[in-house]
Amino acid sequence: NAGVTQTPKFQVLKTGQSMTLQCAQDMNHEYMSWYRQDPGMGLRLIHYSVGAGITDQGEVPNGYNVSRSTTEDFPLRLLSAAPSQTSVYFCASSYSDNTYEQYFGPGTRLTVT
Amino acid sequence: GQQVMQIPQYQHVQEGEDFTTYCNSSTTLSNIQWYKQRPGGHPVFLIQLVKSGEVKKQKRLTFQFGEAKKNSSLHITATQTTDVGTYFCAGNPSGSARQLTFGSGTQLTVLP
Repeated sequence: NAGVTQTPKFQVLKTGQSMTLQCAQDMNHEYMSWYRQDPGMGLRLIHYSVGAGITDQGEVPNGYNVSRSTTEDFPLRLLSAAPSQTSVYFCASSYSDNTYEQYFGPGTRLTVT
Repeated sequence: GQQVMQIPQYQHVQEGEDFTTYCNSSTTLSNIQWYKQRPGGHPVFLIQLVKSGEVKKQKRLTFQFGEAKKNSSLHITATQTTDVGTYFCAGNPSGSARQLTFGSGTQLTVLP
């Protein structure tokens, strides 16, 4: 099993550009989520999904969209990038929405200039 | 909303010394998880505590969950250079993963 994969590993965007961060898991996990990690602030939940076709907002959803058309994939879209979105983004998955261990992807380091 | 505070933010220890990080929640927790993130890496699950007063050990790591289920600690005995990284607690007031709230982490440096 590859676990949770994310692409790209690094990305530089100009303010106002849009892009999609890809996330996939091959563990047949129901629950998937996106976090951003900023220095000194831990991990903050952006959006999550409890299954294909079901998504909802987390703590910091503004400026991001998600969709979940399959169990495996959970892409994160930045609509119009802003410097405040410079961060490291982690995708995570777990067996279900019940509290199981979260499996994190390797992360995407995004810089918005 | 729920807050999870973690201290200290940084800790430098000499190899062989002990290390402890503490986690405090503003609300009673259903359970708490601990993760380790190596420099440049991603968080990796270490353990989950569920019961009041629970103590679990993993080799040199000892995890505790407070009696009131509002605080937790991770203690490492005789640190090694392989222990370097940031340790995060993640508290959950319910049984739902969507409510997992991460502390800000403790960055551990081990000096050889």
